[in-house]
Amino acid sequence: AQSVTQPDIHITVSEGASLELRCNYSYGATPYLFWYVQSPGQGLQLLLKYFSGDTLVQGIKGFEAEFKRSQSSFNLRKPSVHWSDAAEYFCAVGYGNKLVFGAGTILRVKS
Amino acid sequence: DGGITQSPKYLFRKEGQNVTLSCEQNLNHDAMYWYRQDPGQGLRLIYYSQIVNDFQKGDIAEGYSVSREKKESFPLTVTSAQKNPTAFYLCASSLEGGRYGYTFGSGTRLTVV
Repeated sequence: AQSVTQPDIHITVSEGASLELRCNYSYGATPYLFWYVQSPGQGLQLLLKYFSGDTLVQGIKGFEAEFKRSQSSFNLRKPSVHWSDAAEYFCAVGYGNKLVFGAGTILRVKS
Repeated sequence: DGGITQSPKYLFRKEGQNVTLSCEQNLNHDAMYWYRQDPGQGLRLIYYSQIVNDFQKGDIAEGYSVSREKKESFPLTVTSAQKNPTAFYLCASSLEGGRYGYTFGSGTRLTVV
């Protein structure tokens, strides 16, 4: 069955430090991959998506993600985290006409 | 601007009552989805619809019902059969399902009192 694993439930980084959120997926075919961000009490906002082509994808708010087929991974990165980046982040894989979501990673930013 | 509107933002229900959550989109999307979100459990699919007058059960459909009479609207009814309805509910829509990702509404928080 298709699945998405986000190994880290919580991550805390200092403001200005770099960030990497991990995502591994299980899917037989070429995946459609997404990262979403959710602020407390709000809906999810799309950060970036990968369909094909260049494996390094640029998104909004300075985020990027790299697709590595050999590792079945789609990790999210940001070179310098801002306090406003504190939120929950979800990785998702497109499966047929649905998305399968990971359990999410809560990012805390300390000043 | 196009988007998805969920209403109300907060909803309180007495045990044993049915309650309907509204979801409207003006994006001209064919597919619509309802998810339930509980702390630490990610998003769980309740129902989805790919076209008008058709819908399918997701992973946790028991105790819920939906209708899709118009392309723009996909209301969710939480029935008294749902054992633990207190949660955050998210509606989403998509042009072609998983290929293009979803656009989400801002959610409805349902509390049973």
